[in-house]
Amino acid sequence: SQELEQSPQSLIVQEGKNLTINCTSSKTLYGLYWYKQKYGEGLIFLMMLQKGGEEKSHEKITAKLDEKKQQSSLHITASQPSHAGIYLCGAAYINRDDKIIFGKGTRLHILP
Amino acid sequence: DAGVIQSPRHEVTEMGQEVTLRCKPISGHDYLFWYRQTMMRGLELLIYFNNNVPIDDSGMPEDRFSAKMPNASFSTLKIQPSEPRDSAVYFCASSLGKETNTGELFFGEGSRLTVL
Repeated sequence: SQELEQSPQSLIVQEGKNLTINCTSSKTLYGLYWYKQKYGEGLIFLMMLQKGGEEKSHEKITAKLDEKKQQSSLHITASQPSHAGIYLCGAAYINRDDKIIFGKGTRLHILP
Repeated sequence: DAGVIQSPRHEVTEMGQEVTLRCKPISGHDYLFWYRQTMMRGLELLIYFNNNVPIDDSGMPEDRFSAKMPNASFSTLKIQPSEPRDSAVYFCASSLGKETNTGELFFGEGSRLTVL
């Protein structure tokens, strides 16, 4: 969706290194959702951010929503092979009912 | 409690055939969503239901696609006739919606469709 842009599209990282994935919305968000998808499987919910400046963590994954509620970054510290997969951000907008629109995803590969 | 259940997991069919994908949402969830995932277009929302009523079907690509939700525990997505460009992974998801919860979606494992 052009409303929601993710970058980079793909990422290859050496095991143990840190990495950041970005998600930018063209409109103010009601909520921003991060999901992880292992190749060939369904999507697993990681976390949801709603308040400007909010930051949440899930194991070694941290996500933050900026103050203007239009951009989120997901940061992985000391990456591991288990972190490999596709990371998708999803956006819910104010007064846009309950649908969630997703970005195209970031494919993360971890090199041993 | 069981998660969202989709069937079939894999379907291979020939162009022109009818395809029916099925979904059982999580009990108590009043929202159901159908998404399609391809490499080129990512994860696209096709249609979603609230309390079995279609709310937004603007993502349905064309008249060959139809979706129904006859009751709270079952939904179908039908493609008739199917075309090779319909090849994708189709996901069903359910949720409690934003008013009563965070609006988090719970996804099924997906149905991988290949149209030859």
